[in-house]
Amino acid sequence: SAVISQKPSRDICQRGTSLTIQCQVDSQVTMMFWYRQQPGQSLTLIATANQGSEATYESGFVIDKFPISRPNLTFSTLTVSNMSPEDSSIYLCSVAPEPTDTQYFGPGTRLTVL
Amino acid sequence: GESVGLHLPTLSVQEGDNSIINCAYSNSASDYFIWYKQESGKGPQFIIDIRSNMDKRQGQRVTVLLNKTVKHLSLQIAATQPGDSAVYFCAESSTNDYKLSFGAGTTVTVRA
Repeated sequence: SAVISQKPSRDICQRGTSLTIQCQVDSQVTMMFWYRQQPGQSLTLIATANQGSEATYESGFVIDKFPISRPNLTFSTLTVSNMSPEDSSIYLCSVAPEPTDTQYFGPGTRLTVL
Repeated sequence: GESVGLHLPTLSVQEGDNSIINCAYSNSASDYFIWYKQESGKGPQFIIDIRSNMDKRQGQRVTVLLNKTVKHLSLQIAATQPGDSAVYFCAESSTNDYKLSFGAGTTVTVRA
């Protein structure tokens, strides 16, 4: 399976600021996804990061709040904008070499907003 | 909307015993199912998967059973070890929609 890294691993931020999370994979993959995991909860898909085009967002998530970049087949970023304490969560990226393949997850970014 | 869910939020098991974690799904179009293990402070780790053309699949100490008639999925862990303590999630997707939908998660605690 692919080796996936995320930066930063954790951060504490002030409300109103923005944080950009990076996801790097060691091989080219077709699919990259971003998930949110609120404290003690399951995973919720935020968006599919599409290489060379705009991300596809799930219901309840918008580009202005969670802008995503996907410049190539090994890298993506998620920005959490104008943060509030409700954005405190673990943010996870996942990858799949092809759409029908298993998704593998990165270690996550633990975000606390004060 | 349709969702994937788990029957029990917690499971306490004696070390050496077998564990069974259950999952119910409601999307009849789902044809791919995955079990993930998430340890504290880590991302979900792939355990085993199964496609809808099978009803059983075995891995190392783990077995996944799929009952499409009642839309039920289970994960069996043989000879549970302390390292098996974690939260276990089932997830499902369909060929027409590769996005994963996750269940609520079951916390497994192994007693020494």
